[in-house]
Amino acid sequence: EIVLTQSPGTLSLSPGERATLSCRASQSVRSSYVAWYQQKPGQAPRLLIYAASSRATGIPDRFSGSGSGTDFTLSISRLEPEDFAVYYCQQYDNSPPRYTFGQGTNLEIK
Amino acid sequence: QVQLQESGPGLVKPSGTLSLTCAVSGGSITNNWWSWVRQPPGKGLEWIGESEHSGNTNYNPSLKSRVTISVDRSNSQLSLTLSSVTAADTAVYYCARAATYNLDYWGQGTLVTVSS
Repeated sequence: EIVLTQSPGTLSLSPGERATLSCRASQSVRSSYVAWYQQKPGQAPRLLIYAASSRATGIPDRFSGSGSGTDFTLSISRLEPEDFAVYYCQQYDNSPPRYTFGQGTNLEIK
Repeated sequence: QVQLQESGPGLVKPSGTLSLTCAVSGGSITNNWWSWVRQPPGKGLEWIGESEHSGNTNYNPSLKSRVTISVDRSNSQLSLTLSSVTAADTAVYYCARAATYNLDYWGQGTLVTVSS
């Protein structure tokens, strides 16, 4: 079973700053199998990034994803007030088929 | 625009069976796999399993012995049953559409509490 570890657990930044969130896998993962989600309080998760670096429909270009192998990153270039939320990385495993999530990073206003 | 809406009892007794449905609209239920994901209060996301319209399923090994997921094409619905529930099964339960190795549309979620 592949385990995803996100860091930091909490990130405190101000609007306008750049955010860098990390997701490390316990073994190598295909980039096409990695996604990122944003979740605000009381809401369902929203798909931000799929295939490690492709933005989902309607996602602003300040969000970007990168990485390969065991290390993946979600970057937010200039934080807007609406970006403060919890972010989860996810990977798909095809043997057996399953999705696993990281434990989340809480991006909070400093 | 695909929309998903979960429904079902908000309270289930310990050792009982949790049953939820997810109504799918705005798209064909036969074109994708469909997942259930849960989130205990204040905690992270846990994938429960998935199904597609032909009856094929995949389950989280940690829940496999207690879970059944199915797709009802005629009613465009997804269903979840989880047996022998305990307080640890208290969570918000989400249904979601599987795209290519990710979950692109989600329902709003429904809170299920396991308590006597």
